[in-house]
Amino acid sequence: AQKITQTQPGMFVQEKEAVTLDCTYDTSDPSYGLFWYKQPSSGEMIFLIYQGSYDQQNATEGRYSLNFQKARKSANLVISASQLGDSAMYFCAMRGHNTNAGKSTFGDGTTLTVKP
Amino acid sequence: DTEVTQTPKHLVMGMTNKKSLKCEQHMGHRAMYWYKQKAKKPPELMFVYSYEKLSINESVPSRFSPECPNSSLLNLHLHALQPEDSALYLCASSLPPGGAMTDTQYFGPGTRLTVL
Repeated sequence: AQKITQTQPGMFVQEKEAVTLDCTYDTSDPSYGLFWYKQPSSGEMIFLIYQGSYDQQNATEGRYSLNFQKARKSANLVISASQLGDSAMYFCAMRGHNTNAGKSTFGDGTTLTVKP
Repeated sequence: DTEVTQTPKHLVMGMTNKKSLKCEQHMGHRAMYWYKQKAKKPPELMFVYSYEKLSINESVPSRFSPECPNSSLLNLHLHALQPEDSALYLCASSLPPGGAMTDTQYFGPGTRLTVL
């Protein structure tokens, strides 16, 4: 079984500041992938960043970085230099190597609001 | 190009109507997914197609009927829906499940369905 926990239902950040969105996970799979998605109010789920369980380095994609701490089972998303357009809901998700084909587990999401 | 398209964007239907949702991707992906998402909740997996064959049905009521005519198209046929079926319906695609756990799902913009 897999579980994703996002403990922050809502977060506020001032424009141009950095923000960290928390994600912890639990899985019995020895290998797995972790994903972050952004969902604006328009509804589309936008893929942001991926981290593999065996990756030695933390993933980065532009202003997004993933703070991966395997021993603590955490995969926090860091957004640097926040922009107003970053206001959205953010989902952490995972897929295990042995998970039923195609099944991803999603957290409950964090709503981020960027203040001008 | 990581684009998944969905039509229509909005749909209002009565409980006796028959309608269809359409999803299309041209990324060469061989796995396609339907998700249902209620407001402020994570997406819930409904169906997975792998190589145009239904591989996962998450015990979805028979009033939802998926169809995968070819590797680029995915339909969801709707009949005799209930008001509680009102939600955002998201389509996604990826490389075939069962492959690398790195396979990212790319989502379409969704169809907002209202059942009266």
